[in-house]
Formats: sequence, C-alpha cells, structure tokens
Amino acid sequence: SAVISQKPSRDICQRGTSLTIQCQVDSQVTMMFWYRQQPGQSLTLIATANQGSEATYESGFVIDKFPISRPNLTFSTLTVSNMSPEDSSIYLCSVLKPTGELFFGEGSRLTVL
Amino acid sequence: GDSVTQMEGPVTLSEEAFLTINCTYTATGYPSLFWYVQYPGEGLQLLLKATKADDKGSNKGFEATYRKETTSFHLEKGSVQVSDSAVYFCALSDLSGTYKYIFGTGTRLKVLA
Repeated sequence: SAVISQKPSRDICQRGTSLTIQCQVDSQVTMMFWYRQQPGQSLTLIATANQGSEATYESGFVIDKFPISRPNLTFSTLTVSNMSPEDSSIYLCSVLKPTGELFFGEGSRLTVL
Repeated sequence: GDSVTQMEGPVTLSEEAFLTINCTYTATGYPSLFWYVQYPGEGLQLLLKATKADDKGSNKGFEATYRKETTSFHLEKGSVQVSDSAVYFCALSDLSGTYKYIFGTGTRLKVLA
C-alpha cells in the first residue's frame, strides 16, 4: 500500500478566494492524479499530475481554475482558484502503484460560502 | 467511451443477510476491474480486483467475478456485518493505456443490527 497525506483535511472558504491542497506520498510514484467527489456523487478525474511538466487535464477542467504542481515524485499540489459554492467538494489525491492499484488520500473537504 | 454502471442505493440489509451489488461495464479493450469501499468520513480503499476474464477477486469475505460475457463484476458477500456499512464503488481501468480509472456512481450499503 501507499501512505498518502493530504492537507488540509477540510476547510471553509469565502467565494472568490483560492485554496491550495497538498499531497505527500511516502514513496516515489510515477502516476499521480487529482479527483473531485461532489456531494453524493462519484469520482471525477480532474487531471494527471506530471512530474516536471504541465498537468494533463480532463475535459471540463482547465489549468487557470485548477493549477497543479508536481515538483518531484512524492509531492503535488492542487489549487482551486477563484472559488464559488459550486466548487464545494471533496478533492482526492491518488497514486498508481506498479501493481496497477490506485491508492487514495483521505481527501480534502472544501466548503465554499 | 468506457463506462461503469452500478445499482442505485441505498441498500439496507439486516446483519448476516446476503449482499449483492450489481456492476456492469462497457469498454473497448480489456480493462481491469475493481471494487473500492469508502467508510464514513474516510477515503477510498481498494477492496478487491480482477485483471482478466473469469478472475475472482476476494477480500474480507467479499467476492466478485470478472464476467466478460455479461460485462459484469457484481460484488457479493454471504453474511454482512454492521461494520460493512459504507459506500461501494465499482471501477475499471485500462492499465495498458492511459491508466485512468472510471468509477461508478457508488452504492451506499446500510447494515442494521
């Protein structure tokens, strides 16, 4: 398994502000992803965080709204910019191990007022 | 594109009852299939997986068999416990390609004592 630590675990933010979520993994991993889980819904892939290059975003997600950094193989950040209440969600960092299994952090629960 | 369909919840059972949560998929290739579980207030955890047709994944008394002919991966447990109350997600991944996971909408299970 992999130990994935996310910070903050939860936050309450004001509309129009930005929040950066950090993800730290206890071992080097090649593939790291960011997911969003909206209330009562399934997981939606936001982007693949690429080490040393720009993230690869899924349809409906853009870099200006969700800038991602991946400075090394154990760390990544996701910023939710210019937040609105519609951004209230759980944001999940995940890593793919060589076995093909996806491991998740415990998530960052964001509430935007 | 690829997709996963799960039975809608919530599913409410009495302790020691038999559990089935249906999952079907559509995929152009030969994906690996997974069940993840999310206990209240926690992140997603891998429950079991199957990587090819007729494989049976099992863990903690749960089982699921990869049925290519019916494109299904139904989750079963012979005798559920109160501690099994959680949300269960079926997922598929093309591990030979993009490594992206596609998740079902989740099925909430509530087990009553």
